Amino acid sequence: QTVVTQEPSFSVSPGGTVTLTCGLRSGSVSTNYYPSWYQQTPGQPPRTLVYSTDSRSSGVPDRFSGSILGNKAALTITGAQADDECDYYCVLYMGGGIWVFGGGTKLTVL
Amino acid sequence: EVQLVESGGGLVKPGGSLRLSCATSGFIFTSYNMNWVRQAPGKGLEWVSSISSSSAYIYYADSVKGRFTISRDNAKNSLYLQMDSLGAEDTAVYFCVKYAGGAVPGSGDVYFDHWGQGTLVTVSS
Repeated sequence: QTVVTQEPSFSVSPGGTVTLTCGLRSGSVSTNYYPSWYQQTPGQPPRTLVYSTDSRSSGVPDRFSGSILGNKAALTITGAQADDECDYYCVLYMGGGIWVFGGGTKLTVL
Repeated sequence: EVQLVESGGGLVKPGGSLRLSCATSGFIFTSYNMNWVRQAPGKGLEWVSSISSSSAYIYYADSVKGRFTISRDNAKNSLYLQMDSLGAEDTAVYFCVKYAGGAVPGSGDVYFDHWGQGTLVTVSS
């Protein structure tokens, strides 16, 4: 069973920079998994932030950027704002039509 | 504007069945792979199932394989999820999700670009 790992929670100061990661319990995340990142506020559906590792979705500010850091996918938020406080999910495409989401990271801005 | 509107959720007893629907508009439905993703209350997202544009390729998460059936009606621009043998672990908001890259997963831009608002399924006696 494939397990995608994310930090359960993270804190960042307003104006600060935070990097959330997305890993595999067994193995390394590479661009071949097409990591994508989604932002979800309470009661709302997810919103696409980044896809194919580092491509920003339309309308997403350039404060959000994606990359591969070591053996994980990463989402970096610079100049954190109060309304960045919400949940962030990554998903990996495993091939063969199968997707696996990470458990999500609850980001606090304080 | 792409719109995905789910319906069919509700309260069902354990062991029961439910059929979810997703009405779509604003894009060429016949050209895109479609998915169901669910989210249990207070929990994370879980991919459930995927169907290619022509229905030739269908995939399920292990957690629902053999119990759920995904289908689509391209004439009606609609996606469906037949859920049988429901258990408490199936309680979740079910989202209808459009694949960005085209007809089959893994082609084009590999990600989910549009999500519906979701429909809540509660399995309880």
